Amino acid sequence: GAVVSQHPSWVICKSGTSVKIECRSLDFQATTMFWYRQFPKQSLMLMATSNEGSKATYEQGVEKDKFLINHASLTLSTLTVTSAHPEDSSFYICSAKIPGGSYNSPLHFGNGTRLTVT
Amino acid sequence: AQSVAQPEDQVNVAEGNPLTVKCTYSVSGNPYLFWYVQYPNRGLQFLLKYITGDNLVKGSYGFEAEFNKSQTSFHLKKPSALVSDSALYFCAVRDMRDNDMRFGAGTRLTVKP
Repeated sequence: GAVVSQHPSWVICKSGTSVKIECRSLDFQATTMFWYRQFPKQSLMLMATSNEGSKATYEQGVEKDKFLINHASLTLSTLTVTSAHPEDSSFYICSAKIPGGSYNSPLHFGNGTRLTVT
Repeated sequence: AQSVAQPEDQVNVAEGNPLTVKCTYSVSGNPYLFWYVQYPNRGLQFLLKYITGDNLVKGSYGFEAEFNKSQTSFHLKKPSALVSDSALYFCAVRDMRDNDMRFGAGTRLTVKP
């Protein structure tokens, strides 16, 4: 149980275009999802917390207009990288928490999306 | 704010030998500590967690971790390493007052046959 599906696994886009990444909880309803960015050989950097039915909470330094997050349903959160540039190339990972889970509940991660902007 | 530190970027061990991946933490309250493993181009997989109780926590794939409050450490261990254990390992902490989880920088474990 507690499967998180992330799509696409990898995407190549041209500079200036926008890319949408989907994160779905397949067998549970996720009121809260998290979006991370991971640079090569580095740790995960929390970008934002996505709450169903409300605005995402962004971490300091993350551009809200650049990285649009929508959590329109209890099983889907999307991250749109707008007007992508080569420096946006990275590995993006989403995770979800089972609702009602306490602070000792682990997060469940998608398999990540490798974005390459040319 | 809570944080974890993984002092080693890389750990190399021979197959069959015991392995240890180190993690220290810093929190203002009671720590909730986790270990995750990441294989290339994949998300993170949960290995084990410490909440309270026994200081030795057993997890998936034969891994265990020892919580040491006086040393503020939560080292990951395995008695006998396998080549397939080669991966990137992350220690993480969640403070009771925060909703998110903070990750260490990661340690790349290489097990050589």
